[in-house]
Amino acid sequence: EAGVAQSPRYKIIEKRQSVAFWCNPISGHATLYWYQQILGQGPKLLIQFQNNGVVDDSQLPKDRFSAERLKGVDSTLKIQPAKLEDSAVYLCASSPGLPLGYTFGSGTRLTVV
Amino acid sequence: QKEVEQDPGPLSVPEGAIVSLNCTYSNSAFQYFMWYRQYSRKGPELLMYTYSSGNKEDGRFTAQVDKSSKYISLFIRDSQPSDSATYLCATANTGNQFYFGTGTSLTVIP
Repeated sequence: EAGVAQSPRYKIIEKRQSVAFWCNPISGHATLYWYQQILGQGPKLLIQFQNNGVVDDSQLPKDRFSAERLKGVDSTLKIQPAKLEDSAVYLCASSPGLPLGYTFGSGTRLTVV
Repeated sequence: QKEVEQDPGPLSVPEGAIVSLNCTYSNSAFQYFMWYRQYSRKGPELLMYTYSSGNKEDGRFTAQVDKSSKYISLFIRDSQPSDSATYLCATANTGNQFYFGTGTSLTVIP
């Protein structure tokens, strides 16, 4: 079974620039999550999708972050404009509906300079 | 109060030692309890999974959940240098919403 694919692996941008991350979940997984993990901290949920609908985006900074999951499969997370404090690893995870099958991707490491 | 609180560490132990990692959680409605292991520059991977209360053993790893005290533990016996990683506890409700601890960094010294 292929895992959760994320790209790019690394990204360095200047503050106020925009950036987009892509996630391809495990085939058949209805639930998709985006997390932000700052160095030394646990993952913080940004947004949870069920198919192509949003379940929880309460911690997504909507003035600068946006996410979509078209057709209930792939997802993109965008930051515009980026701030220095957005430097973190952005993790995508997917689940078939039970916590046991919950799988993370390797993440995208974003550095904002 | 955070949903999950985890001992921050870091923890450094000699090879062969028994390691104890601990978390507490706040919501008695949580039913699923997980431990994830995260190597440097990798995403977290599921290590242990427990539904409701009790113990679960897998090789050198034992997960314990005490719902009466809202306490989650992971024990590693005969620790190896390859166990050096960050360990994250997590809880989930039936709505598939996950809550993670901040992680404990473990180093096993040969």
